[in-house]
Formats: sequence, structure tokens, C-alpha cells
Amino acid sequence: KAGVTQTPRYLIKTRGQQVTLSCSPISGHRSVSWYQQTPGQGLQFLFEYFSETQRNKGNFPGRFSGRQFSNSRSEMNVSTLELGDSALYLCASSLAGPLGGNTEAFFGQGTRLTVV
Amino acid sequence: DQQVKQNSPSLSVQEGRISILNCDYTNSMFDYFLWYKKYPAEGPTFLISISSIKDKNEDGRFTVFLNKSAKHLSLHIVPSQPGDSAVYFCAASAGSNYQLIWGAGTKLIIKP
Repeated sequence: KAGVTQTPRYLIKTRGQQVTLSCSPISGHRSVSWYQQTPGQGLQFLFEYFSETQRNKGNFPGRFSGRQFSNSRSEMNVSTLELGDSALYLCASSLAGPLGGNTEAFFGQGTRLTVV
Repeated sequence: DQQVKQNSPSLSVQEGRISILNCDYTNSMFDYFLWYKKYPAEGPTFLISISSIKDKNEDGRFTVFLNKSAKHLSLHIVPSQPGDSAVYFCAASAGSNYQLIWGAGTKLIIKP
């Protein structure tokens, strides 16, 4: 079956603009989480959605938001982009239940966002 | 405040020898730990996990050890192969909290 699909793969935006990233989870997976990866910082948790509801949120400013649709596809939006938002944004999907429990998470290839 | 720490940014190991990747955590509520492997330009892939009720879990060449009293876990790869060269992340979660807390990663380089 198809894996987690993230679009676009690469994106260049200007400071102050906004951006929307998309994630299609594995069929049947209802949980989608978003992460930001920057060099030396590892993976920073942004938020997790399950059945269209945000279940958990990391420590990111309100400029970072997301949503999940009835087909489990998820979007992440960043408004008023800053240079420091340049990073690899990863999406992970898992079956129903806690992402961090006994359920393995499957990651997409990520969207590389560059803010200039 | 980093709750999950991987203090070695990189590790170089000879092919065929043992690779030991370390991870420390501070939150005593963590009860589930995972290791992920990441190649450049790809998302992380799940390697192995361990629940806090165990102190060891094996899967082929990969073994994870958990020392709860020291709040320390390690991933052993034996024997190390060139394809093991990647960045390894450890992650932890607490009970029904759906958030995974990640370490910064360790870049493993396997030398021929």
C-alpha cells in the first residue's frame, strides 16, 4: 500500500509570506503528527491530529497551525514566515491510538522549506 | 529543557564491529521508547522499541537496552554494516500522552 505522501517536496518562500504543506497518511491511519527538523535540534513535535481533532500540541507559536480532513489528510500552515522557519517538515501517520504507544509511526519524506 | 538527550552528535565504527548508540532521558513518566533511523532526503523509519516493563528487546542485529534507574537506553548494532550509516533518533512517550519527545540524533558512520 502507498506510504505517507507529503507535498510539495521543496518550497522556497519569502519572509512574511504564508505556506501550506500537505500530508496524506497511509490508508486506514487516522493519526497524523507533524514535526520540524532543523540541524542539531532533532525532531520537534508540532501537533497531532486524530479524527479531525487536534489531540496534542508542541511548543510552537500560533503562526503554526494545522487541520485534518475527514479522509485523514492533513495540512499544516505557517503564517508570517521567518528565516528561522527554514527546516524539513515531516509528517507521520499511525493507526488509531496513541502515536507514542505501541503503535509504530510511518514518516513521509518531508517538505524542505527555505525562507529567504 | 531537553527531556531526551543524545549526547553524541556522531559516531564512527569499523564495519563488522559493534555500534552502541546512547540516549538519556529526564522524565520518569516516560514508559515507551523507540529508535528510528533516518537516511538523507528520507523520513525516519522505525527500527525497534521497548516498553518500560522490559530491560531488553532484540530484533536481528539490533538490541535495545533500557536502564530505568539510570534513565538511559542504548541501541546496539552487531555486526555493523555499511548500510547502517544513517542518523539515529531515540524518542520517548509517557502513557496516554500522544506526543513523542525526540533526541537530537546521532550520525553513525560505518567505515569499511
